Amino acid sequence: EAQVTQNPRYLITVTGKKLTVTCSQNMNHEYMSWYRQDPGLGLRQIYYSMNVEVTDKGDVPEGYKVSRKEKRNFPLILESPSPNQTSLYFCASRSTSGSSEQFFGPGTRLTVL
Amino acid sequence: GQNIDQPTEMTATEGAIVQINCTYQTSGFNGLFWYQQHAGEAPTFLSYNVLDGLEEKGRFSSFLSRSKGYSYLLLKELQMKDSASYLCAPTGSYNTDKLIFGTGTRLQVFP
Repeated sequence: EAQVTQNPRYLITVTGKKLTVTCSQNMNHEYMSWYRQDPGLGLRQIYYSMNVEVTDKGDVPEGYKVSRKEKRNFPLILESPSPNQTSLYFCASRSTSGSSEQFFGPGTRLTVL
Repeated sequence: GQNIDQPTEMTATEGAIVQINCTYQTSGFNGLFWYQQHAGEAPTFLSYNVLDGLEEKGRFSSFLSRSKGYSYLLLKELQMKDSASYLCAPTGSYNTDKLIFGTGTRLQVFP
């Protein structure tokens, strides 16, 4: 089944404790992206990647890092999480040819205390 | 700047037709997406309009006017399962690398 997976789905952590949210897709998509969703603010793009070793900032990159060492994986790293990073995070992927539709993962609900 | 405006909430009755409007201003534009998102779930793709005009896909249709910075999503023969948020997302650049999502319109369908 074609899908985007994220892990963990739920995470409660404390300020300053480094964490990684993994994202993996099995559709051989070149493009991958991370979003956060907050009430009243909608989905905001954090980082995106056009292909392996190619990443670029979205609208709200501060406090986040990403890497794209393999085509299928695009982990989101919070080196020193803070409470304002409490949010619902979505990873998405799409092909760079044909349809521009983005396929979203199921989401990761992160709480930083 | 980037700005997207769509109603926060709408209600409708099962079997009815509802139109969700979206106006936008972006620094670059290639096209406009509509996504559906049920509470607590991931957004799912509904449509992508690049050219002006109406595109119909089953019970859902989407319209775009590039010159007016305006789009709408038309839902016909509403069903209870259509209760969800509908996200308008114009591209924020001249390609589809960056999407700017609106806050969404929460639609409630009543029997």
